[in-house]
Parts: sequence; C-alpha cells; structure tokens
Amino acid sequence: AQKVTQAQTEISVVEKEDVTLDCVYETRDTTYYLFWYKQPPSGELVFLIRRNSFDEQNEISGRYSWNFQKSTSSFNFTITASQVVDSAVYFCALSEGGLSYNTDKLIFGTGTRLQVFP
Amino acid sequence: DARVTQTPRHKVTEMGQEVTMRCQPILGHNTVFWYRQTMMQGLELLAYFRNRAPLDDSGMPKDRFSAEMPDATLATLKIQPSEPRDSAVYFCASGLVVAGEQFFGPGTRLTVL
Repeated sequence: AQKVTQAQTEISVVEKEDVTLDCVYETRDTTYYLFWYKQPPSGELVFLIRRNSFDEQNEISGRYSWNFQKSTSSFNFTITASQVVDSAVYFCALSEGGLSYNTDKLIFGTGTRLQVFP
Repeated sequence: DARVTQTPRHKVTEMGQEVTMRCQPILGHNTVFWYRQTMMQGLELLAYFRNRAPLDDSGMPKDRFSAEMPDATLATLKIQPSEPRDSAVYFCASGLVVAGEQFFGPGTRLTVL
C-alpha cells in the first residue's frame, strides 16, 4: 500500500540556518508523482513542487532544493539560509499511477512543522 | 489572480444539524477535490470529481456525507446529520492535469458542538 512518512514532527532553527525536511514514501508502482506543499499559519496549502518517478534530477528554486533518490525512496526538501517567513507546516505527498491510471489521488504525509526564529 | 474560493470560512453548529460547504474551483479546471484536515488524521481525501463526475468517494462516510457538482463552477459537500467528530478544516482544491498540481482553497473550519 502507498504511504508517505515524514518522521520529523517539528524542527526549530535560527534564521540563516539551512534545514532539510525528510520524506520517505512507499509504493508498488513504477509510475508515480511526488509533491511538496507548504501550509503557512494562514492555513491555505501552497504547491511547491511536483516530480515524476522517472526524473531523478535534483531541483533548485531559489533557496529551495529537492533531492529525489529512488534507491532510498526519499524525496527530501532543503531550505538554504532559512527565513522567518519559511515558518510553516510542510507536507510531502504521493500520487500513484499517473496518466496510466487516470488518478489524481494524493496521499499526504503527516507534515513537518518548521519554526524559524529570528 | 485565479483562486479557489470556499464558503463559509467558519461554521459553528450543533450536533444533528445539516452543514453545507461550497467551493468555486478555478475557472477552466476540470477536477475538484474535497479534503479534510484534523490533528489526529492529518489530510485525508474525501472525494473528487472530474468533469463533474464523481471519480472516488471512498474516503467519505457515506451515511452522512454527500458531495455534488451541480455545475462546473460549484462543488458542494454536505453533512447530515453533523456530529462532533466531523469538526475539522475542510479544503477544496481544483486541478487541470491528471496527477498534477492541485490548487487549494482557504478551507472551511467546521466546529460541531
């Protein structure tokens, strides 16, 4: 069965520190998609990234970077030089099957609460 | 700036009452999702529609919950009768691409007393 594990419940850092949020997933499919969403204190979920199972290239977007490793079933998220505005709950999610299954069902992890202190 | 809208944003009701939550997906999006977020269960998919047809409602308690899309611009989630355990934040999201990005609304915070 599909599952997403975010073992870190809460992380606290001081501004400008780098921080990595871990995500481990389980799936039997060879085709799947992985996502990260951010939920700031306002409550709305904000999309950060989508990665398909055939693309293991790491991605960088400003201070954000993602490391996808199929060998360890991990899709970790790093924030470089963290800022107070990065404080939020971050969710990793998995969608199986993709186009072949015509499914959009997202399985979310339990989230990691990141607190960045000035 | 296209956004998913949800009404009401907050709802307090008494056990046994009917609750209706509404969602307006982003114009042109053909897939609409309903999620529930609680401290205990996290984020759970309740149901979703593509082109207004229900594709999956396996996450929804069938005896009291119902989801519909009367038209392409409106999705509704109804609970009848409501129970205290239904207290949660209910999110609507919409999307356009299969297994693609889902755009979330601000949520409806439901409290059932």
